[in-house]
Amino acid sequence: IAGITQAPTSQILAAGRRMTLRCTQDMRHNAMYWYRQDLGLGLRLIHYSNTAGTTGKGEVPDGYSVSRANTDDFPLTLASAVPSQTSVYFCASSDGATSGTDTQYFGPGTRLTVL
Amino acid sequence: GQNIDQPTEMTATEGAIVQINCTYQTSGFNGLFWYQQHAGEAPTFLSYNVLDGLEEKGRFSSFLSRSKGYSYLLLKELQMKDSASYLCAVRDGDYKLSFGAGTTVTVRA
Repeated sequence: IAGITQAPTSQILAAGRRMTLRCTQDMRHNAMYWYRQDLGLGLRLIHYSNTAGTTGKGEVPDGYSVSRANTDDFPLTLASAVPSQTSVYFCASSDGATSGTDTQYFGPGTRLTVL
Repeated sequence: GQNIDQPTEMTATEGAIVQINCTYQTSGFNGLFWYQQHAGEAPTFLSYNVLDGLEEKGRFSSFLSRSKGYSYLLLKELQMKDSASYLCAVRDGDYKLSFGAGTTVTVRA
């Protein structure tokens, strides 16, 4: 079944540890995105990639890094986790077209707790 | 930055109609989206407006007025399964989505 998968589903992490959240899509979408969702704040864009080999910073990029080595995968890395990074993380993808709907489709999310 | 406002919560009775308003101020405009998100799940696409007017899709309709920076999502014939959060999102001049905080709709029997 086509779609987006994320791993892990949930994780409890000690502050200062390094963590990589995985995201894979099989829809051959050009664009991929990472959001965090916090109560009362809605979804906020962390990083994005318009096409394989390119990445860009979103609204809240500090403390996070991404890479886009191929079309399907878009991992998000927390180099040294802090408690304020406790959140639900959603990966999304879209065609990346700058005309038309270009709907973003979301993965199931990763619930991360940093202690 | 972007500013997208929508009510925090709304409650309605099964079979009724609910209208969720969204106002926005963004740097550029390239469309407005509504997403539905059930608790603990991913957001799923509901509707898209880029021109002024009403878009109808079954029990759900979405309206846009670009000059007023205003949209609403209309949910008709409410069902219990419609209890969810509804997210308003605007695609700005850089083709990035900015989301409102979401409106939690509770449908009561």
